[in-house]
Amino acid sequence: EDQVTQSPEALRLQEGESSSLNCSYTVSGLRGLFWYRQDPGKGPEFLFTLYSAGEEKEKERLKATLTKKESFLHITAPKPEDSATYLCAVRSNYGGSQGNLIFGKGTKLSVKP
Amino acid sequence: DTEVTQTPKHLVMGMTNKKSLKCEQHMGHRAMYWYKQKAKKPPELMFVYSYEKLSINESVPSRFSPECPNSSLLNLHLHALQPEDSALYLCASSHPLRGRAYGYTFGSGTRLTVV
Repeated sequence: EDQVTQSPEALRLQEGESSSLNCSYTVSGLRGLFWYRQDPGKGPEFLFTLYSAGEEKEKERLKATLTKKESFLHITAPKPEDSATYLCAVRSNYGGSQGNLIFGKGTKLSVKP
Repeated sequence: DTEVTQTPKHLVMGMTNKKSLKCEQHMGHRAMYWYKQKAKKPPELMFVYSYEKLSINESVPSRFSPECPNSSLLNLHLHALQPEDSALYLCASSHPLRGRAYGYTFGSGTRLTVV
């Protein structure tokens, strides 16, 4: 069964305190691992897609990495505006050519000034 | 235009009402999705349309009825809902070829409350 597990469930950081979020997955036929940011009451905002072990993507203070079993979202010198829930999702072969996104439960990040 | 637009943003309906949620995109995406998200939970897939045809129905109750009139529009018709159906309903779209690089684009959602 395809599964995505994120840790920790919640993370509180001081502004400037770097840290990492973890996403471990088991999926048959990985067709992409996605990171999204979601603010309360809003839809998920796309951040990164990773496909191959060893792949890395960066955007401002965020860097995503991928291994064969997990992905990390590194946050360098976070600011209060980085506070949000970060969702990890994998795209499996289920659903034919369009696949399907399977989401983890998310990590709620709070950055205090 | 790189957005998925959902209307209305908020909806309160009684259990005997009939209402519809609307989703629109003009990115040329040929796959569109409905997700349901309860508070503090991840989005859960409800329906997938691929090239305007329903390809996935995740055992959703018949009181939810999807419709894809054309490649840019996706509707979700609601009838005789229950209070436990209250949630954030998200629409998403993806390009069949570019989805590999860009992931799914989500709308801001419709906050539905059933009273």
